[in-house]
Amino acid sequence: TQLLEQSPQFLSIQEGENLTVYCNSSSVFSSLQWYRQEPGEGPVLLVTVVTGGEVKKLKRLTFQFGDARKDSSLHITAAQPGDTGLYLCAGASNFGNEKLTFGTGTRLTIIP
Amino acid sequence: GAVVSQHPSRVICKSGTSVKIECRSLDFQATTMFWYRQFPKQSLMLMATSNEGSKATYEQGVEKDKFLINHASLTLSTLTVTSAHPEDSSFYICSASGGGSYNEQFFGPGTRLTVL
Repeated sequence: TQLLEQSPQFLSIQEGENLTVYCNSSSVFSSLQWYRQEPGEGPVLLVTVVTGGEVKKLKRLTFQFGDARKDSSLHITAAQPGDTGLYLCAGASNFGNEKLTFGTGTRLTIIP
Repeated sequence: GAVVSQHPSRVICKSGTSVKIECRSLDFQATTMFWYRQFPKQSLMLMATSNEGSKATYEQGVEKDKFLINHASLTLSTLTVTSAHPEDSSFYICSASGGGSYNEQFFGPGTRLTVL
């Protein structure tokens, strides 16, 4: 069974601070996706990383895929209240219509 | 692009009744749709994988006779919770694959089911 552990599970920081969320597994994934979910809504896809060592930037968010494609990180610079939400990583074992293994989630709260 | 809708967004029903939830891919053809359940403050739990025109594949522990899934077209899948009980109350989310470069899953807005 593939498992994706996210850390930290909860994070509450002041607006303007930086933070990093980690997503770790002992399994290799062909791709890894990051989602953000707000209460009462479905997850929204933020990014997909495919290549080991790949780094993608989305404004203040930086995503990295580990060299061995077993782990990933999400770094947020100068966090804003709008960044508040549940962040989920999800790994796919193969390209194609394969089910995702979801991480345990990181609930982020940015305090104004 | 890659928009997925769900209907209804919220439903309250009496114990013993059946509830149908629709999931539609609005601007792409979804060869595969997925149904998830999410409990408060937890991650998503996959219930079943649905391919157009074939029977759904259920995850271990999910009763296929209780959670009926139909994927009649490339843009529509339905989940019917039969004889609902209070313990079935949850947030149900569907996703569709086929609209992204790497076949990413795009999620619907979810359906909050409350069984009285």
